[in-house]
Amino acid sequence: AQTVTQSQPEMSVQEAETVTLSCTYDTSENNYYLFWYKQPPSRQMILVIRQEAYKQQNATENRFSVNFQKAAKSFSLKISDSQLGDTAMYFCAFMKQDAGKSTFGDGTTLTVKP
Amino acid sequence: GAGVSQTPSNKVTEKGKYVELRCDPISGHTALYWYRQSLGQGPEFLIYFQGTGAADDSGLPNDRFFAVRPEGSVSTLKIQRTERGDSAVYLCASSFLGRADSPLHFGNGTRLTVT
Repeated sequence: AQTVTQSQPEMSVQEAETVTLSCTYDTSENNYYLFWYKQPPSRQMILVIRQEAYKQQNATENRFSVNFQKAAKSFSLKISDSQLGDTAMYFCAFMKQDAGKSTFGDGTTLTVKP
Repeated sequence: GAGVSQTPSNKVTEKGKYVELRCDPISGHTALYWYRQSLGQGPEFLIYFQGTGAADDSGLPNDRFFAVRPEGSVSTLKIQRTERGDSAVYLCASSFLGRADSPLHFGNGTRLTVT
């Protein structure tokens, strides 16, 4: 079974600054995907960024980037130029390549302060 | 088109009652997922449909929980003899292929409160 651990229950950052959210996971699989999702108070989970485990290059989506360390089973999310709208709960998730089930961490609540 | 729609958005029921939660996926999405999210925790997998059939129901906690998707689109999660511990937000998601390279699209969830 896979496990996903987010060790930071809460974080805060000043607007326009950079913040990094941590995630570690445990699996015996070799082919899998990792995700970061954002969940604002509206409850709707939104995909932020995705990383294929077979790719060495770290994924980037505008202000969001990841630091994927496969050997260390670490998958951190960096948010640059933080905006007030980034305030939300962020979840790290794991999915085997051909399986429908995702395993989520317990989330990090991020507050961006003006 | 429209996103994933879940109804009702909130449901309050008494312990021991039966409830049904509905999920309308994005048109054309073959895969549909149910997750349960308790307060302060991440979503917990319940069941996954590929078309009309349940491809993986390993997350259903016990036989009080059942889900159907008879025509391969709308799905209903059914909970019998509800217990206070069933109180949570129930999230539905759909994807085009049901593979990890096909993004999940989530609904806004149904908040179930069992009194």
